[in-house]
Amino acid sequence: AQTVTQSQPEMSVQEAETVTLSCTYDTSESDYYLFWYKQPPSRQMILVIRQEAYKQQNATENRFSVNFQKAAKSFSLKISDSQLGDAAMYFCAYRSAGFEMRFGAGTRLTVKP
Amino acid sequence: GAVVSQHPSWVICKSGTSVKIECRSLDFQATTMFWYRQFPKQSLMLMATSNEGSKATYEQGVEKDKFLINHASLTLSTLTVTSAHPEDSSFYICSASGRGGNTEAFFGQGTRLTVV
Repeated sequence: AQTVTQSQPEMSVQEAETVTLSCTYDTSESDYYLFWYKQPPSRQMILVIRQEAYKQQNATENRFSVNFQKAAKSFSLKISDSQLGDAAMYFCAYRSAGFEMRFGAGTRLTVKP
Repeated sequence: GAVVSQHPSWVICKSGTSVKIECRSLDFQATTMFWYRQFPKQSLMLMATSNEGSKATYEQGVEKDKFLINHASLTLSTLTVTSAHPEDSSFYICSASGRGGNTEAFFGQGTRLTVV
């Protein structure tokens, strides 16, 4: 089965600064999709950004962007101009063409004012 | 994005009883639904994947007879925890997806189950 690894249990960033969250995955498939989800204290999962494996261009969504390195099986999330509302658990997720979605262990992001 | 409604948000039940959790896609057809379990400060652990009209595919280690999943329509999936015990207490989250592996999975609000 595919595995998703987030090696940073906790990260901290100063408000207005930039932070990068790491994610690596293991798969033998060529067709798959990668996601970053945010889970605030309400525990509602919120999609932050997604990347199709067949696309070379890195996805961006306002202050959020990814660095997708397919050969290295790496998918990091960069948050620019961090805001207090960005504080949450962030989960990296892998979804195969067979549809099941698997999550990494998560990274707790703290934003300091 | 699309809306997935999960009900109830929280439930307390007595040990030995069964409890049903509903997951509804309100504005799209959910051909695939996923059920996750999340322990405090941990990640989402996939329990099972269900496709509409088919039997659910359970992850290794998940008891099929304890966690009954039904996906009888394109808008509704249910998870029934049978003969619940305190160790079944957890946060359960469903997500729903339309056709195609590239479609986003939308999440319900989650259900906090406490078995006393």
